[in-house]
Amino acid sequence: GQSLEQPSEVTAVEGAIVQINCTYQTSGFYGLSWYQQHDGGAPTFLSYNALDGLEETGRFSSFLSRSDSYGYLLLQELQMKDSASYFCALRGVTGGGNKLTFGTGTQLKVEL
Amino acid sequence: EAQVTQNPRYLITVTGKKLTVTCSQNMNHEYMSWYRQDPGLGLRQIYYSMNVEVTDKGDVPEGYKVSRKEKRNFPLILESPSPNQTSLYFCASSGTGTGTYEQYFGPGTRLTVT
Repeated sequence: GQSLEQPSEVTAVEGAIVQINCTYQTSGFYGLSWYQQHDGGAPTFLSYNALDGLEETGRFSSFLSRSDSYGYLLLQELQMKDSASYFCALRGVTGGGNKLTFGTGTQLKVEL
Repeated sequence: EAQVTQNPRYLITVTGKKLTVTCSQNMNHEYMSWYRQDPGLGLRQIYYSMNVEVTDKGDVPEGYKVSRKEKRNFPLILESPSPNQTSLYFCASSGTGTGTYEQYFGPGTRLTVT
């Protein structure tokens, strides 16, 4: 099977940069996704890494290192609206890439 | 507007009373999936479907059934609900162009089984 670990909570101040880490164990995967979920809302897709390295999308960047079984989401110029839960998710090779396994999520609190 | 819809949004039921949660998407997506979300456990995949009449088990399929008779619809069936199925349920879809890594989620269905 697959498992992903994330810190349960991270706190940062508005305007700062924060990194949310994700370590994983898997027998094989196609890539690592990141999702954001506000309280009471649905998860929304943020970013995907199929290859090692950094992917940048505006204030959000995501990184993957297959050799270290590790990825992270980087949020820059934090805003209050970034307070939410963030999930990493592995797209495993089992099931032809159709199974998505999520981490338990990191709750980000942005303070003034 | 491109969207995934779920009904009902909230449901309280009793143990053993069969129920169906509907899911529909208007994006012509091939892939659809059901998840449950419980505190501290994140999202766990129940079933997924790659296309009409093609479904497969996720990580927590016990106690659930699905069917995919039309491309746009993917209902979740609980034949005999039990209290341990009390949870927040999400339906999601994605197109083969982006692969399953970019999924569009519905608003969620909060189910309570007493």
